[in-house]
Amino acid sequence: QVQLVQSGAEVKKPGASVKVSCKASGYTFTNFDINWVRQATGQGLEWMGWMNPNSGNTGYAQKFQGRVTMTRSTSISTAYMELSSLRSEDTAVYYCARLIAATGKVDYWGQGTLVTVSS
Amino acid sequence: DIQLTQSPSFLSASVGDRVTITCRASQGISSYLVWYQQKPGKAPKLLIYAASTLQSGVPSRFSGSESGTEFTLTISSLQPEDFATYYCQQLNSSPLTFGGGTKVEMK
Repeated sequence: QVQLVQSGAEVKKPGASVKVSCKASGYTFTNFDINWVRQATGQGLEWMGWMNPNSGNTGYAQKFQGRVTMTRSTSISTAYMELSSLRSEDTAVYYCARLIAATGKVDYWGQGTLVTVSS
Repeated sequence: DIQLTQSPSFLSASVGDRVTITCRASQGISSYLVWYQQKPGKAPKLLIYAASTLQSGVPSRFSGSESGTEFTLTISSLQPEDFATYYCQQLNSSPLTFGGGTKVEMK
């Protein structure tokens, strides 16, 4: 069965970087895009960007341009999202999700990774 | 960027009620709209994609429709497990924006 399993919770200081991983299983990793979405406590969902695991091509929301980097390791079917220059407003749960562009759906999500930014 | 205006933000309803949530796009998005259900502490769950296609395994009481740039999620008969927050998202063009969410609470 399709699964996206994310790395564990992180606590970071302001100005630091965090790298969250998302390991895919149950399907061919390079066949579908990976999206990253975050959600601050009690708030709505915020789209951060996408990555094509086959080509490595990425697209980022303007808000995160210059601070976010999405990469992958195809040998271990894992996607990564690194966010730098962290500030308290980046405290949130970060999700990866599989996007099937051809049918227009985001059908599988990781369990989420809580990133806390605190001095 | 395409804006999605979701309404209402909160909705009080009873078991058995028919519930309708609307998502209005600021410009045309073809049918590239999805609906999710999210419960506290959980990842969103896909309900509807391509505006009106029911995701496999989702109960048939959920349905989606579109009229131009207005999209609707309907729950025909609200069940206890349906009390949750619902979001729409457009997949037509980057950034893939979300609506603000609708929290469905028990009356």
